[in-house]
Amino acid sequence: DAGITQSPRHKVTETGTPVTLRCHQTENHRYMYWYRQDPGHGLRLIHYSYGVKDTDKGEVSDGYSVSRSKTEDFLLTLESATSSQTSVYFCAIQGARGYTFGSGTRLTVV
Amino acid sequence: AQKVTQAQTEISVVEKEDVTLDCVYETRDTTYYLFWYKQPPSGELVFLIRRNSFDEQNEISGRYSWNFQKSTSSFNFTITASQVVDSAVYFCALSEEDSGAGSYQLTFGKGTKLSVIP
Repeated sequence: DAGITQSPRHKVTETGTPVTLRCHQTENHRYMYWYRQDPGHGLRLIHYSYGVKDTDKGEVSDGYSVSRSKTEDFLLTLESATSSQTSVYFCAIQGARGYTFGSGTRLTVV
Repeated sequence: AQKVTQAQTEISVVEKEDVTLDCVYETRDTTYYLFWYKQPPSGELVFLIRRNSFDEQNEISGRYSWNFQKSTSSFNFTITASQVVDSAVYFCALSEEDSGAGSYQLTFGKGTKLSVIP
């Protein structure tokens, strides 16, 4: 399986503070994705990347920005965290067979 | 726009019973992929199967089987002789190619929580 790691695994932050989540892959895949998972909503796409410096918005992109300066790293930033952004965040990479997901980051905004 | 519906929010079965999880999808594309993922209580997402829209053959893998029917836009998942370890949330997902970018974005259903009771 492709190597994909997310950091941190858990984070508690205060409303209004900036937060950056990191996704790191070791397989040189071109496409990377950020999803959030909320009860009753399944997983929803936030942003995705189709190459270094190439990103686009997903279904629920408001309040989030992303950056991809290297193939292996895809960063998700909450510029000013709100309580509605409390969620579990999953990163995914798109390989030949399909998608591999990271272990997730549980973010709590208090 | 693509959409995936998993009408069953929660299902409980007694161990060794068979159970079918329903998935209905909507898409305007002729080329797409369908997936099933398992999310056990530990939280990770485990890939189970990918099916190409041109391949309507049913598939069996051990106690798992999948029934893909384009005529009804359904991709149902059956677990035979369920076990306690099958207790999890199961997600059906659909991907279409994002024109121009070459990526295949996943659209997920809301998931079905399966509880297998000993």
